[in-house]
Amino acid sequence: DIRMTQSPASLSASLGETVNIECLASEDIYSDLAWYQQKPGKSPQLLIYNANSLQNGVPSRFSGSGSGTQYSLKINSLQSEDVATYFCQQYNNYPNTFGAGTKLELK
Amino acid sequence: EVQLVESGGGLVQPGRSLKLSCAASGFTFSNYYMAWVRQAPKKGLEWVATISTSGSRTYYPDSVKGRFTISRDNAKSSLYLQMNSLKSEDTATYYCARHEYVFAYWGQGTLVTVSS
Repeated sequence: DIRMTQSPASLSASLGETVNIECLASEDIYSDLAWYQQKPGKSPQLLIYNANSLQNGVPSRFSGSGSGTQYSLKINSLQSEDVATYFCQQYNNYPNTFGAGTKLELK
Repeated sequence: EVQLVESGGGLVQPGRSLKLSCAASGFTFSNYYMAWVRQAPKKGLEWVATISTSGSRTYYPDSVKGRFTISRDNAKSSLYLQMNSLKSEDTATYYCARHEYVFAYWGQGTLVTVSS
């Protein structure tokens, strides 16, 4: 199985700040990487697919990058509504696997 | 608008069975792979099962293979998860999702608690 290592596990940032979350795959996943946002008490929502493609309706302050085994999610100009847990997911192989999540809080 | 509504969760004893359902609307259900993804309390996400458009192909991780069965009824736009020989570690919120390589749409989830 492909292991997805996400960092940091938690993050505290101020409004307007830029935030970066990293995801490391245990083998090359050829950009088959998605990012999800899960707000407290809600279902996950797709943000990014194919490592860098923004899902319809997602604000442009979110962006994804990376290739091979290393990927990142960037949030520019942090807003209060961005408080959530973020997960990465690889879909290059079954079983599809997720990172453990990064909990983003406001400072 | 895509809607996925899960039902069937509840409290069940270890070793017993439970069947979850998911009612889909707002899209042509028969055109999409569908999946179940679960989340243990305060934990991360785990893919549980996927089914092809016709239902002829199914996929499972080792953690549930042989115990869980995913199925669908395209005429009813419904997805199912039959869970047998349940264990305490199966306690989680179970989400129905439209599986297009990524999980593009999710339901609100149904909580399954396995406890004596």
